[in-house]
Amino acid sequence: DAKTTQPPSMDCAEGRAANLPCNHSTISGNEYVYWYRQIHSQGPQYIIHGLKNNETNEMASLIITEDRKSSTLILPHATLRDTAVYYCIVRPFTNAGKSTFGDGTTLTVKP
Amino acid sequence: AAGVIQSPRHLIKEKRETATLKCYPIPRHDTVYWYQQGPGQDPQFLISFYEKMQSDKGSIPDRFSAQQFSDYHSELNMSSLELGDSALYFCASSLAGVVYEQYFGPGTRLTVT
Repeated sequence: DAKTTQPPSMDCAEGRAANLPCNHSTISGNEYVYWYRQIHSQGPQYIIHGLKNNETNEMASLIITEDRKSSTLILPHATLRDTAVYYCIVRPFTNAGKSTFGDGTTLTVKP
Repeated sequence: AAGVIQSPRHLIKEKRETATLKCYPIPRHDTVYWYQQGPGQDPQFLISFYEKMQSDKGSIPDRFSAQQFSDYHSELNMSSLELGDSALYFCASSLAGVVYEQYFGPGTRLTVT
């Protein structure tokens, strides 16, 4: 799986947009970008995924650069409940693609 | 919507004992994954099953074994427990297809004393 690089921590003011970057310069053509988050001691929660086009769902937006070497997860209006560790994971869409968690970004949303 | 169910939620065992953790995937999901998360660590992949066959294996100790049953639920069996096995154990499920997401359960907190 391609290695990803994320900043270790970020702060965001409540109600503002949170933009979480991820570098994945060694991503290969059959690999998707997935974002998960883990609120303290809870199971990781799937947020969004994409291949090369920008994606949006009810939780967030995912912006992938044209060369696919980096992406940004956007939480449009961060709330205190969005405080969590955010993981950017790159993996192929195989039948049993394990997720390799590591070096995520701890987002702290402040009042 | 139905989520992944794990049981028990908490388990306390002594060293050298055995433990069995159970995972019930989201209905119609055919793939199950097990992850271990030690204190202050990131979740680490242990093993996965697709259609009752082992599909991938991570850093799972030889003392651990797992299987997926015909109803797609899975069990993680852990023997000769060590203090270092104390961790959160997460199960996730997905529906294999072109692109899929993994949905995680609430976890089982195993404490080995």
